This record gives sequence, C-alpha cells and structure tokens, in this order.
Amino acid sequence: DTGVSQDPRHKITKRGQNVTFRCDPISEHNRLYWYRQTLGQGPEFLTYFQNEAQLEKSRLLSDRFSAERPKGSFSTLEIQRTEQGDSAMYLCASTREISFVNEQFFGPGTRLTVL
Amino acid sequence: QQQVKQSPQSLIVQKGGISIINCAYENTAFDYFPWYQQFPGKGPALLIAIRPDVSEKKEGRFTISFNKSAKQFSLHIMDSQPGDSATYFCAAGDDKIIFGKGTRLHILP
Repeated sequence: DTGVSQDPRHKITKRGQNVTFRCDPISEHNRLYWYRQTLGQGPEFLTYFQNEAQLEKSRLLSDRFSAERPKGSFSTLEIQRTEQGDSAMYLCASTREISFVNEQFFGPGTRLTVL
Repeated sequence: QQQVKQSPQSLIVQKGGISIINCAYENTAFDYFPWYQQFPGKGPALLIAIRPDVSEKKEGRFTISFNKSAKQFSLHIMDSQPGDSATYFCAAGDDKIIFGKGTRLHILP
C-alpha cells in the first residue's frame, strides 16, 4: 500500500453515462497525476496538478474528460457520455515536488468497463 | 508524443538467472529514468530510478545501466526469483514521465 487511494476500484457503466473517480494522494504530496492504462500497455499520461492548479493536459484528454483538485488535496476525474473506448484502468499517482526527484507513488487504480 | 521504446515484450528466465530489459528514449531533455514493477490488479510500484549524471545504479539485486550518448538504459535483475514475475515498465521524463509498453517477465521455478 503506497498511501494513495482510489475510489471506486471497479466501475461498470453503460455507454452514454457519466462516471466520476476519486483519488486521495499522500497527504504531503503537492503534485497529483492521472494516467490511463489499457491491457498490455504502459500508463499513458492524462493530466497533472500542482496543488490546485492543473498544469498540463494530454491530447488524449478529450472534452468529455475533466479533472479537478479543488483544495489541492483529493482529485476527481469525470468522464461524460462514456464510450466503449473509455474502458481502461485509470491510475492516480502523487509526488512531492523536489527539484531533482519525481518519484511518483501510484494508487491501485479504478478499472472502468463501459458496456 | 515523445516515445520510450522497451524490449523485449516478454521474457522467460530460469530461477537464479539474470533478467535484462532494455529501453531507448528520444528526448535528450529527459532527466529522470525510473523502472516500475506491476503485479496484476495493482498499480505500478517504483523499483529503481537513475539520473543522467551517473552510468549505473545498484539497489540490491536490481541494477540500472545508463548510456547517455546512445539514449538507452537497461534494467538487470540478478539472481531472478519466481516472486519477480511481473510486468516491468521503463519510463523517462522530468515533471511528466512517459512509460514504455512493458515487459512481461516470467521466472521459471
């Protein structure tokens, strides 16, 4: 257990529905990352926050995806109008910003299945 | 997107042998090169990482070898054990890291 928690662990939804995932990082970590991982692939970067500021978003993050980190602590990732291609593991990671280290601690992930 | 290319896709090693996984990157601005280990149903866990100012880093049975001029780095697992059977990912970057596609390692008992 890395100290990063994600909820729910599994989500099954029907195409067209909205889903929201939550990530709670390690408490003293000010950076939080979201990744998507499909079967047989490495994690793909989606977006990251430093405190409450969203610093970068991947081109993979279509306008149906939105992420927030309102108080610089937990973060949510929402997918609107889900599509079957959204089925994947969504991973969250956190790190403390230190100039020469970017050790990211990952949560267990939320596995999304879109029917 | 800058790529990180990892090989082989899968690897089978006898118990006690040396497992070697290779990675190549493109962006010379990258300054952080970690290796992650992932078991089924779990998130990736940091195994070992290196900065480009050193050519080798060893932690227990795990060693990273880094060749800056060739833009390549590798993971060596010495005395491989069945418990090392997992998927291994190399990654590269700075504030943001890019992952390779992974190597499924199986250690034969």
